[in-house]
Amino acid sequence: LAKTTQPISMDSYEGQEVNITCSHNNIATNDYITWYQQFPSQGPRFIIQGYKTKVTNEVASLFIPADRKSSTLSLPRVSLSDTAVYYCLVGLNNAGNMLTFGGGTRLMVKP
Amino acid sequence: EPEVTQTPSHQVTQMGQEVILRCVPISNHLYFYWYRQILGQKVEFLVSFYNNEISEKSEIFDDQFSVERPDGSNFTLKIRSTKLEDSAMYFCASSKAPTGAYNEQFFGPGTRLTVL
Repeated sequence: LAKTTQPISMDSYEGQEVNITCSHNNIATNDYITWYQQFPSQGPRFIIQGYKTKVTNEVASLFIPADRKSSTLSLPRVSLSDTAVYYCLVGLNNAGNMLTFGGGTRLMVKP
Repeated sequence: EPEVTQTPSHQVTQMGQEVILRCVPISNHLYFYWYRQILGQKVEFLVSFYNNEISEKSEIFDDQFSVERPDGSNFTLKIRSTKLEDSAMYFCASSKAPTGAYNEQFFGPGTRLTVL
């Protein structure tokens, strides 16, 4: 499994764009990059997934450079409710595969 | 929007007792999982289940743990003889079979298990 490294914590203010970068130097050819979000006392929730280049959905964007050794989750115009832990996961996109969570990035959005 | 549900939300038990944590996965999902999160620590995979059998399990999932799908809707995790270190939040998750899109896992709200 590819090891991931991401900042332990980040602070931001409401209305700002937040970028969280994850390093995964030993990502394998068939691995996908997936981000989950976890609010306190809740289960993780899928945000976005990509393989290369850029992916955007209604919640976030994911930027993946050509070498795929890192990825950046971009949250546009955060609000207080975006305060959560964000996890970067790297692995195969197969049914039934276990998810391996790291420590995640604790994002604190301030008013 | 369909969601995974778990009961109870909080379970308190004495060390050595058996507990059963219950989950109702999303109805058209075929893969089921249990994870746990000790307070302040990472989410850890325990077991995955497909077609009425365990497909993968972690080192944490020892002989004290078992899973079952007793009927068409419930998915349970049993801990036979609880230990203090089993105190954690236990999350159930489910996912569809892949159809080309990402096989997203949907998590339930969790059961907080406290072993005294």
